[in-house]
Amino acid sequence: DQQVKQNSPSLSVQEGRISILNCDYTNSMFDYFLWYKKYPAEGPTFLISISSIKDKNEDGRFTVFLNKSAKHLSLHIVPSQPGDSAVYFCAASVRANTDKLIFGTGTRLQVFP
Amino acid sequence: NAGVTQTPKFRILKIGQSMTLQCAQDMNHNYMYWYRQDPGMGLKLIYYSVGAGITDKGEVPNGYNVSRSTTEDFPLRLELAAPSQTSVYFCASRGLGEKLFFGSGTQLSVL
Repeated sequence: DQQVKQNSPSLSVQEGRISILNCDYTNSMFDYFLWYKKYPAEGPTFLISISSIKDKNEDGRFTVFLNKSAKHLSLHIVPSQPGDSAVYFCAASVRANTDKLIFGTGTRLQVFP
Repeated sequence: NAGVTQTPKFRILKIGQSMTLQCAQDMNHNYMYWYRQDPGMGLKLIYYSVGAGITDKGEVPNGYNVSRSTTEDFPLRLELAAPSQTSVYFCASRGLGEKLFFGSGTQLSVL
């Protein structure tokens, strides 16, 4: 039972354009969501997070949108850069129990010149 | 600034062998975690610890053991390696916030 789903295994975007990575979840108890970025041969690194009391959080080129009624969140990267090429993982938790973070399967983003 | 350090980076085991994956963090974090990542899958939680002397099972604990005798170290033990344990293993730590800090991973093959 995959509680956090990233249905697009890969995405290819031209440099300078917008990248949109999607994530769906099934557990309505989730109230905290995070995005991690992973380069090959490295561990994931934290990118951005959002609490369920918000519907948008912005950090520089990265914006996360949360649609609670649709149980959907998305990560927007504008403008995309070649250095953004990585695997992006969505993760979710119940904030009272953040030790049980559930990860999606990841989306590989490739940004080409 | 080391952060979370995992050793070894690569290892090949024969079926039935045992080994310990080492993890150390220098950020004085109370919370530490072990995850595994299988190809095309997300990270699955194996075990976690909320402080020295306290450990608990995650989603996929079978075949593994952990101990937490100090704040800094959180080793993961495989007693009887099986092919199903072929995976990439990540150790992570967390302070007071929700953000996890990951090590660079151990790629383990059991043949």
